[in-house]
Amino acid sequence: EAGVAQSPRYKIIEKRQSVAFWCNPISGHATLYWYQQILGQGPKLLIQFQNNGVVDDSQLPKDRFSAERLKGVDSTLKIQPAKLEDSAVYLCASSEGLATTWFFGPGTRLTVL
Amino acid sequence: AQTVTQSQPEMSVQEAETVTLSCTYDTSENNYYLFWYKQPPSRQMILVIRQEAYKQQNATENRFSVNFQKAAKSFSLKISDSQLGDTAMYFCAFMPGGTGNQFYFGTGTSLTVIP
Repeated sequence: EAGVAQSPRYKIIEKRQSVAFWCNPISGHATLYWYQQILGQGPKLLIQFQNNGVVDDSQLPKDRFSAERLKGVDSTLKIQPAKLEDSAVYLCASSEGLATTWFFGPGTRLTVL
Repeated sequence: AQTVTQSQPEMSVQEAETVTLSCTYDTSENNYYLFWYKQPPSRQMILVIRQEAYKQQNATENRFSVNFQKAAKSFSLKISDSQLGDTAMYFCAFMPGGTGNQFYFGTGTSLTVIP
């Protein structure tokens, strides 16, 4: 079965610029997560979707980050404007639902200069 | 609040030997799941093993096994017959049961298997 797809794999931007990441979960997976993994740390949840609804976005810096999951399939995460501290790997994960197996994508490494 | 602590930032083991990675967690939940994920340099997080808190029996997956001590809130990973391909960052993760669940990850242990 195809895994979780993410693009781009790498992105370098200057501070105050905008950037968007894309995630295509495994077909049929209702739950989708975006995690931020700063170098040397474990991933931290940014937002969780159940189908096209937001379950938890309490840790999403909403002044600059936004995410959507139109039609309950693909998802995009946007940062506008980017700050130096946003440099990290952004991981997308999906699962069929509760108490099931979660699959992670390869991540997008963002460097903000 | 849920926290996960991995106190060993780096570890190394000789090929074919056994190594144990430590993890402790703090929670007031009674129903939860614990995981060990492996993250090679390619960055793909791969599930190594999973344990349901209500199960007393320790989970085992081939060369990987856990020592789950619920009362002590400890969840260590034992890798037997270490192989070069086991070299990676290992993350311990906690997930509360119920709705709206999310992973809480530790800071990771970088494991190097030495030929």
